[in-house]
Amino acid sequence: QVQLQQSGAELVKPGTSVKLSCKASGYTFTSNHMNWIKQTTGQGLEWIGIINPGSGGTSYNVKFKGKATLTVDKSSSTAFMQLSSLTPEDSAVYYCARDGMGILDYWGQGVMVTVSS
Amino acid sequence: DIQMTQSPSVLSASVGDRVTLNCKASQNINKYLNWYQQKLGEAPKLLIYNTNNLQTGIPSRFSGSGSGTDYTLTISSLQPEDVATYFCFQHNSWPLTFGSGTKLEIK
Repeated sequence: QVQLQQSGAELVKPGTSVKLSCKASGYTFTSNHMNWIKQTTGQGLEWIGIINPGSGGTSYNVKFKGKATLTVDKSSSTAFMQLSSLTPEDSAVYYCARDGMGILDYWGQGVMVTVSS
Repeated sequence: DIQMTQSPSVLSASVGDRVTLNCKASQNINKYLNWYQQKLGEAPKLLIYNTNNLQTGIPSRFSGSGSGTDYTLTISSLQPEDVATYFCFQHNSWPLTFGSGTKLEIK
């Protein structure tokens, strides 16, 4: 069965970076794009961007350009998202979600990132 | 960006009731509309894709309809396990966008 296993919660300091992981199993990793989504109480669900694991090609929500960088490691079927220059506004739950032609059909369990000094 | 507006923001209904949740897009999204259910502390779960297609394993009491800018999710007979927040989501154009959610409660 399809599973997306995300890395554990992060407590990070302002101004630093964090790299989140999403390990896929149960399907051919390069057959589906991978999305990343941010969830906060105030802003709700926001789409960050998408990566094609086969080519490494990416597209980003303009709001997150320069903030998020999406990469993959095909050898381990893992997608990554690096968030840089962190501020308290980046505190959120972040999800990866498999893409089936725009249908985000399977989601990771989410990872909470807390930015605090 | 396409704005997705959901109504109501909170809905309280009784077990067995037929409930309807609404989602309005700021422009035509050509039926590229999905519905997700999110229970407390869990990831969103796909219920309906492309307006009216029931995801595998989802109970048939859930259904979707709509076109253009207006879409609905209907639960034909509300069950206690349906307590959750429901989000609509458009994938007609980038950036992909979500509605702000309808919180469904049991009276």
